[in-house]
Amino acid sequence: NAGVTQTPKFQVLKTGQSMTLQCAQDMNHEYMSWYRQDPGMGLRLIHYSVGAGITDQGEVPNGYNVSRSTTEDFPLRLLSAAPSQTSVYFCASSYSNSPGYEQYFGPGTRLTVT
Amino acid sequence: KQEVTQIPAALSVPEGENLVLNCSFTDSAIYNLQWFRQDPGKGLTSLLLIQSSQREQTSGRLNASLDKSSGRSTLYIAASQPGDSATYLCALDMIKAAGNKLTFGGGTRVLVKP
Repeated sequence: NAGVTQTPKFQVLKTGQSMTLQCAQDMNHEYMSWYRQDPGMGLRLIHYSVGAGITDQGEVPNGYNVSRSTTEDFPLRLLSAAPSQTSVYFCASSYSNSPGYEQYFGPGTRLTVT
Repeated sequence: KQEVTQIPAALSVPEGENLVLNCSFTDSAIYNLQWFRQDPGKGLTSLLLIQSSQREQTSGRLNASLDKSSGRSTLYIAASQPGDSATYLCALDMIKAAGNKLTFGGGTRVLVKP
């Protein structure tokens, strides 16, 4: 299994540009989520999905959209990038959408917005 | 609101010494506690998961304990090696949290000197 994969690894955007961060997992996990990691702020949940066709907001959802059309993929869209979205983005997945299961993280995407 | 604290923020030890990493939390209503390792510029690697009903988990040179009554978990790494140099994060799966959100501590940055 490749586990949780993310592309791209690095990205530089200008303010106002849009882009999609890709996340895929090959473990048939029901639950997937996106976090951002910022110095001094730790990791914060952006959006999550408990299964195909079902998504919900985390604690910092503004400026981001998600969809889950398949079990494997959970892309994160930035519609109009802002410098405040400069961060490292991690995708995570878990076997079940029930709480208490181990979560697995991808390698991250480092995004810089100028 | 759950507060998760990891002290010290940074630790430097000579090779061969045992490492003791601390994680304290204020709300003991958790499903589990997970310890992660993060190498510079990399993603999070899951090390150990302790369910709420468990007192400890072991994997090789790693041992993690959980004491919910005192709001503490400790990660022990025996006979440290330079390859153990990384940032170690603890994360709690809270019963009250929506979306299986993990609440992370700030991490302890470990340097093992040869």
